Amino acid sequence: AQSVTQLDSQVPVFEEAPVELRCNYSSSVSVYLFWYVQYPNQGLQLLLKYLSGSTLVKGINGFEAEFNKSQTSFHLRKPSVHISDTAEYFCAVAQTAGGTSYGKLTFGQGTILTVHP
Amino acid sequence: EAGVAQSPRYKIIEKRQSVAFWCNPISGHATLYWYQQILGQGPKLLIQFQNNGVVDDSQLPKDRFSAERLKGVDSTLKIQPAKLEDSAVYLCASSLGWGSYEQYFGPGTRLTVT
Repeated sequence: AQSVTQLDSQVPVFEEAPVELRCNYSSSVSVYLFWYVQYPNQGLQLLLKYLSGSTLVKGINGFEAEFNKSQTSFHLRKPSVHISDTAEYFCAVAQTAGGTSYGKLTFGQGTILTVHP
Repeated sequence: EAGVAQSPRYKIIEKRQSVAFWCNPISGHATLYWYQQILGQGPKLLIQFQNNGVVDDSQLPKDRFSAERLKGVDSTLKIQPAKLEDSAVYLCASSLGWGSYEQYFGPGTRLTVT
């Protein structure tokens, strides 16, 4: 079984400032890692994913995340945020292979990012 | 390409009533998921279908929840009877199938049980 902990429930930041949303995970097997964004009254949209290869992953809207296996973390970053980035962000993991858990996403509890002008 | 469609978008019912939600996945997507998202929490998987077969329903409260995907395309999730704690957003997602980890989500149905 795996679990995901998002260390901050809310992150307020001013426009054009950098931001980091923190995510730690726990798993007894190898996992794939994801960040999703949810705008008000909408479904989840994939921001980026780590499946293999370079530990620095770039996604849409200028976001990037770094996979750190030793620290079991997958923090999301953006060097300069915009008002339009205000949303809730979810970190998720999926078991890489085997059994009925294949492809199943386990989500963290979410981080609300609020960008102030 | 059309996205995942869900209806209704909002539903208010009284406890002990029944309710049904509908989902139409992206065309060609073999895998369909239903998630429950309680306010302030991340989505929790209720059931996963591969074509019209159930892959994982370990977290589905089977005494009151049921789901079907009869023709391997659209799906219905039903709650009967509803409880206050069922108030949540019900999200449907789809993916191409085995080996595809990218899930595409619908807008969700917000259920309020009074």
